[in-house]
Amino acid sequence: GNSVTQMEGPVTLSEEAFLTINCTYTATGYPSLFWYVQYPGEGLQLLLKATKADDKGSNKGFEATYRKETTSFHLEKGSVQVSDSAVYFCALSASNQFYFGTGTSLTVIP
Amino acid sequence: EPEVTQTPSHQVTQMGQEVILRCVPISNHLYFYWYRQILGQKVEFLVSFYNNEISEKSEIFDDQFSVERPDGSNFTLKIRSTKLEDSAMYFCASTQDRATTNEKLFFGSGTQLSVL
Repeated sequence: GNSVTQMEGPVTLSEEAFLTINCTYTATGYPSLFWYVQYPGEGLQLLLKATKADDKGSNKGFEATYRKETTSFHLEKGSVQVSDSAVYFCALSASNQFYFGTGTSLTVIP
Repeated sequence: EPEVTQTPSHQVTQMGQEVILRCVPISNHLYFYWYRQILGQKVEFLVSFYNNEISEKSEIFDDQFSVERPDGSNFTLKIRSTKLEDSAMYFCASTQDRATTNEKLFFGSGTQLSVL
């Protein structure tokens, strides 16, 4: 079946630290992969996506590369800011449905 | 950017009571969804809705649940007789087209349902 497993949180980092949030997936066929972000009090928003193997999605300094060989889509940012504090969800789209992970809470402290 | 609106943001109810969660999808979207997230667990698909009928539903979406688009703008989720395990954050989402490789979901901010 289709599923997503992402690194458990919470994650706490100092401003300007490097961020990695791991995500691996299981899917039949060729899914698209997404990272969604939820800021406090708001809905999930699309952060970035990749639709095929070796594609790199990027937005707001965040990046993730679709790795078919390791079935992974890890989220990275070189220098986090306080405003990046949020919950991050890895997701895949397959069989006309979206499948989400549990979410990883990130807190960035000044 | 257009947004999906959900009300209320928090709902507290007694076990066995009926609740209705409300959503206003983006106006030109045609596909509507409900997801839920129990604390500490994955965001789970409940149901999708198109052309005034359910297109897909998960095992979670049993006879206690129903959805409706009563007036062409609202999209509601009804739980007839709530159970403790229904306590969760419920997210409404909409898309212009069916979930495809290039589509994205627009989510509301969620309704936190607490069943006592």
